[in-house]
Amino acid sequence: NAGVTQTPKFQVLKTGQSMTLQCAQDMNHNSMYWYRQDPGMGLRLIYYSASEGTTDKGEVPNGYNVSRLNKREFSLRLESAAPSQTSVYFCASSYGIVIEGGSYTGELFFGEGSRLTVL
Amino acid sequence: EDQVTQSPEALRLQEGESSSLNCSYTVSGLRGLFWYRQDPGKGPEFLFTLYSAGEEKEKERLKATLTKKESFLHITAPKPEDSATYLCAVRINTGGFKTIFGAGTRLFVKA
Repeated sequence: NAGVTQTPKFQVLKTGQSMTLQCAQDMNHNSMYWYRQDPGMGLRLIYYSASEGTTDKGEVPNGYNVSRLNKREFSLRLESAAPSQTSVYFCASSYGIVIEGGSYTGELFFGEGSRLTVL
Repeated sequence: EDQVTQSPEALRLQEGESSSLNCSYTVSGLRGLFWYRQDPGKGPEFLFTLYSAGEEKEKERLKATLTKKESFLHITAPKPEDSATYLCAVRINTGGFKTIFGAGTRLFVKA
């Protein structure tokens, strides 16, 4: 099994350009996530999709949009890239369910990351 | 404010020299504490989940423990292949799926 697959692995953009990061998982997980990782900071959640058909903002959603295309795929779009969006982006998935009174996510399974540089 | 702090930022050990990494947290409604390992250029890889104070988990040379305020990752007789960044994360009850990560501890083990 491939697990979580992200493309592209590397990308250089100019300020104002747009691009989409693709993510697919083959573990039949319900929940998918996009994080960014910057030096000296922890992973920060950009957007997540608790289940197919739903998406929600995380801690740092500004400048990004997402699409949960189907149960397997979750894409992240930068409409107008800015230098502050230079980062390493990780897609993750987990077995997640929503139950009465709460939710359960399980551990996260991560892709290998996409390194984005915005000039 | 919900916060996760890991210390030290970096740790250099000789092979066989045991030590501990610390993860302290101030969150409301803890619903699990996770440890991950991240190798350079790779995504984090799951190690352990702890749910309640007093719980312990072990895997090879690693042992994770949890108290009400912090978690420790004990490394016994480390080997060079244990060199990596170790990330701590807490899942909190916000009615959603929020997981907060610490900045990590970079571990270097010299042969």
